[in-house]
Formats: sequence, C-alpha cells, structure tokens
Amino acid sequence: EVLLTQSPGTLSLFPGERVTLSCRASQSVSGRSLAWYQQQPGQAPRLLIYGATARATGIPDRFSGSGSGTDFSLTISRLEPEDSAVYYCQQYGYSPWTFGRGTKVEIK
Amino acid sequence: EVQLVESGGDLVQPGGSLRLSCTTSGFSFNSYDMNWVRQAPGRGLEWVAYISSGSTTYIADSVKGRFSVSRDNAKGSLYLYMYSLRADDTALYFCARGRQCTGGNCYVDYWGQGTLVTVSS
Repeated sequence: EVLLTQSPGTLSLFPGERVTLSCRASQSVSGRSLAWYQQQPGQAPRLLIYGATARATGIPDRFSGSGSGTDFSLTISRLEPEDSAVYYCQQYGYSPWTFGRGTKVEIK
Repeated sequence: EVQLVESGGDLVQPGGSLRLSCTTSGFSFNSYDMNWVRQAPGRGLEWVAYISSGSTTYIADSVKGRFSVSRDNAKGSLYLYMYSLRADDTALYFCARGRQCTGGNCYVDYWGQGTLVTVSS
C-alpha cells in the first residue's frame, strides 16, 4: 500500500498569504495519479486537483498543483477566509488508492 | 446538477448488518464507475469499495469478506452491504463518483454528504 505523508499537520495564516502544502509518497506514483481535496467542517470533500496539476471544474486559479514521482505540492497563492479547511492528497496509481492524513489550514 | 444522496446509516450492534443506499441524479449513472469511501469520526478518508459501470467490483482488504457493493443502473442507485459489523467500522460513509478509473483506482469528482454508521452495543 502506498503511504502518503502530508506536511505540515496544521498551518495558521492570514488572508492574502501564500501557502504550499506537501504530500510525499512512499513510492513513485505512476502517471502523476495524484489528486487533492478540500474538506470544510461538516462537509463532504471537494475535488481541487487531479493528475497532479489539473484544476477541477469551478476551482479558482489561486489553487495549483505540482510535482511528480514521490513529491507533490498544493499551492494556494492568496488565501481567502473560505479556504479554512483540511486538505487531503490521494493517489490512484496503485491499488488500493490511498489518502494522506490531511493538512489543516486555519485562517487568522 | 450532479447529486449523490446516501441513506441507510444507523446505530447497529457489533456483529450486525446494514445496507447503505446512494441515490443519484444529474448524470448518466450507468456510464460511471462508483465508490464508497468512509471517514471515521475525526479521522481521515479510507476507500472501501468500487464498482465499475459493468459491475466489476473491488473491496478494501479491511472489509473484504464482510462488505459487498452492487448497483442498479435502472434506478441510478448504488448499494453497500455490510455484515459482521465491528466498532472500527463506525464512520461516515460517502458515495463517490470515480473518474479515470484503472483497475479500480480512481479519483473522485463528486461526493455525497455521507450517511453515518455507528457500531456500538
């Protein structure tokens, strides 16, 4: 099973700041098969990024994904108050597909 | 608008059984692979079960032999059958539409709001 390690565990930032979240895989993820989701309190996850870099429909361009192999990142260029959430990465290159444990982003 | 609505979650005793349902609308259900993903209270996400548009299924090792998945394309519905339930099956169960699925591995583009299963005596 591919283990995804997300860091940091929690971040507390001001609106307008730039943040980069990390997701490291225990083995190279084939075909850049990595997605990012946002989960706000009490809500279902929402797809942000798939294929490591492709933004999902309706996702603002302040969200961007990068990386390949074992190291992937999600960057939020200018934080908005509504970005307060837990962010999960997920690999779908190997069975079973697995999620990271999440990074919690708090907006001050 | 794509909608996924789960139902069937309940409080059940250890060893009990439950059937979860997911009713869908807003897309051609019979053309999409579907999944169940769960989230234990205060925890992360765990894939549970996959079923292709043609009804090929894969089940996570953690629930294999106890859970099964099926679909009714005529009704646009997805089901999860849960047997021999244990306390560690307690979770919010999400119905999830899969995309770019290969060998049962997908990303999810739409999620339901989830249905809560609590296993406790």
